Amino acid sequence: EAGVTQSPTHLIKTRGQQATLRCSPISGHTSVYWYQQALGLGLQFLLWYDEGEERNRGNFPPRFSGRQFPNYSSELNVNALELEDSALYLCASSLAGGSLNQETQYFGPGTRLLVL
Amino acid sequence: DAKTTQPPSMDCAEGRAANLPCNHSTISGNEYVYWYRQIHSQGPQYIIHGLKNNETNEMASLIITEDRKSSTLILPHATLRDTAVYYCIVRTSSGTYKYIFGTGTRLKVLA
Repeated sequence: EAGVTQSPTHLIKTRGQQATLRCSPISGHTSVYWYQQALGLGLQFLLWYDEGEERNRGNFPPRFSGRQFPNYSSELNVNALELEDSALYLCASSLAGGSLNQETQYFGPGTRLLVL
Repeated sequence: DAKTTQPPSMDCAEGRAANLPCNHSTISGNEYVYWYRQIHSQGPQYIIHGLKNNETNEMASLIITEDRKSSTLILPHATLRDTAVYYCIVRTSSGTYKYIFGTGTRLKVLA
């Protein structure tokens, strides 16, 4: 069974540009989560999508946004890039919410974004 | 959201059991304890989770104290490939379903 996949693996942008990161969840999973891990720091929750809707977001500015498609894949968009946006962006997926035992999150390998 | 406290680093000899502690004194009755590990900036890998009872799978065992205020992850026979940062997470009980990661324990398995 294929795990969570993310693309691209690496992305280099300059300040002010926009970045688009993509995530494909495990087959059968409908929830997708995004996390940011800046160098040397822990994982910070960004966004949660379930059944195409944004269910919750972390303490990040509105220039961090995303969406979930009908096939449950997801995009994370970061507008007006700043140097401090350089980080590893991790996507995770889980079965639908509602039952705690079903909500183990499985992570992808991440996209490393570098803003110059 | 319940907060977890872990030692920043630990060493373990190869072949010996690695016991990683975690304090979660503010845990609520219906909140699960999850353990993940992250090897050199790869995506975190799920290890195990539990609510009240001790749990065991092919990777590890999870021991949760009776008052649920702390837990221990046990890797029974640590190998060099177990060198990683181990995160103990108390997942919020409902509504947000987000994980709140702490700083974790950096486990170094020594040959």
